[in-house]
Amino acid sequence: DAGVTQSPTHLIKTRGQQVTLRCSPKSGHDTVSWYQQALGQGPQFIFQYYEEEERQRGNFPDRFSGHQFPNYSSELNVNALLLGDSALYLCASSLLGVSGNTIYFGEGSWLTVV
Amino acid sequence: QQQVKQSPQSLIVQKGGIPIINCAYENTAFDYFPWYQQFPGKGPALLIAIRPDVSEKKEGRFTISFNKSAKQFSLHIMDSQPGDSATYFCAASEGYSTLTFGKGTMLLVSP
Repeated sequence: DAGVTQSPTHLIKTRGQQVTLRCSPKSGHDTVSWYQQALGQGPQFIFQYYEEEERQRGNFPDRFSGHQFPNYSSELNVNALLLGDSALYLCASSLLGVSGNTIYFGEGSWLTVV
Repeated sequence: QQQVKQSPQSLIVQKGGIPIINCAYENTAFDYFPWYQQFPGKGPALLIAIRPDVSEKKEGRFTISFNKSAKQFSLHIMDSQPGDSATYFCAASEGYSTLTFGKGTMLLVSP
């Protein structure tokens, strides 16, 4: 049973460019959330997708956008990259409405903006 | 506004010791409190979790103690091993909402 898978694992982008990160949730999970983890910090919630709709959003600018596909996989897009966007981007999957609400994380995508 | 405060920032114990990591929360609507373990270059892995209707939960060498009235919870690692050296995050969520994390504790278990 595959867990949460993310791609790419590492990437380097230039300021002003755009990036797309991808995530496949754990088998059987229908909800995908994205988190940003800066070096030495805890993960910060970006947004959550369920039934292809953005269900909740954290305190991140509109440059951060996402999408969920019918197969529950998801993409995170960041436009007009800033140096401060350099971080580990984590995808988390869960099954909405299930008692216990266990949330599993992928290994993350390391983004470096130069 | 930091809704989950975690301490200490770092911790060094000898092998066999019992490191204790503490977290305090403000939002009384939180009803799910997991702990995650993260090794360098890896994503967080769920370690153990508790709901506020119990005061303690044990899984192997890991124990969560929960004090609802004080709005505090802690992680104890029994018989700690060098392989337990990692960063530990407490978190909290409300209903089926998202996780709010503490800032993490870097644990080093010396041989």
